[in-house]
Amino acid sequence: AQSVTQLDSHVSVSEGTPVLLRCNYSSSYSPSLFWYVQHPNKGLQLLLKYTSAATLVKGINGFEAEFKKSETSFHLTKPSAHMSDAAEYFCVVSSGANFGNEKLTFGTGTRLTIIP
Amino acid sequence: DTGVSQDPRHKITKRGQNVTFRCDPISEHNRLYWYRQTLGQGPEFLTYFQNEAQLEKSRLLSDRFSAERPKGSFSTLEIQRTEQGDSAMYLCASSNGEGLGSEAFFGQGTRLTVV
Repeated sequence: AQSVTQLDSHVSVSEGTPVLLRCNYSSSYSPSLFWYVQHPNKGLQLLLKYTSAATLVKGINGFEAEFKKSETSFHLTKPSAHMSDAAEYFCVVSSGANFGNEKLTFGTGTRLTIIP
Repeated sequence: DTGVSQDPRHKITKRGQNVTFRCDPISEHNRLYWYRQTLGQGPEFLTYFQNEAQLEKSRLLSDRFSAERPKGSFSTLEIQRTEQGDSAMYLCASSNGEGLGSEAFFGQGTRLTVV
């Protein structure tokens, strides 16, 4: 079984300040972890992914995430928020690579608001 | 390639009617997924195809739901005797299934409203 918990349903930060979106996961096997972003009226877009290589993962648009096995966490960060970062963010886990099926299990999402 | 395409983008139907959605994945992607997303929730897995074979169905998928992927290309999702609880965004995704954590590319979804 696999699951993710996004600890904040809504995060507000001022433009130019750091962003932290928190995610904890549960997986019976070595997981692959992802962050997806969903802008209004747009499809889900992959920000970054962790697949058992380097624990610090860099993604698009200046985002990065660190895999911490001891804490079962995969928090998403960005040093300086931009107005265009306002969107819904989903933490996603997949353990299916061990079985040849990479079903994705999504968290409930964190809505990021950027204050001008 | 224009990405994953879904049709229609919006569908309003009366309760009890049947509806069918279509998904065209990225060319040569062998894996195709259907997800459902309701307001304020993350997408929930419905079913998954490897080429034309439907390998897994979620318990969320009642007998009123059926999905096909003939010839391993496009896929259809049909809902029979729609209920108001079926109102949601239906998302399709595809991947090439190569290596760990192969990226799933999502379409923009079909928004279903049952009245």
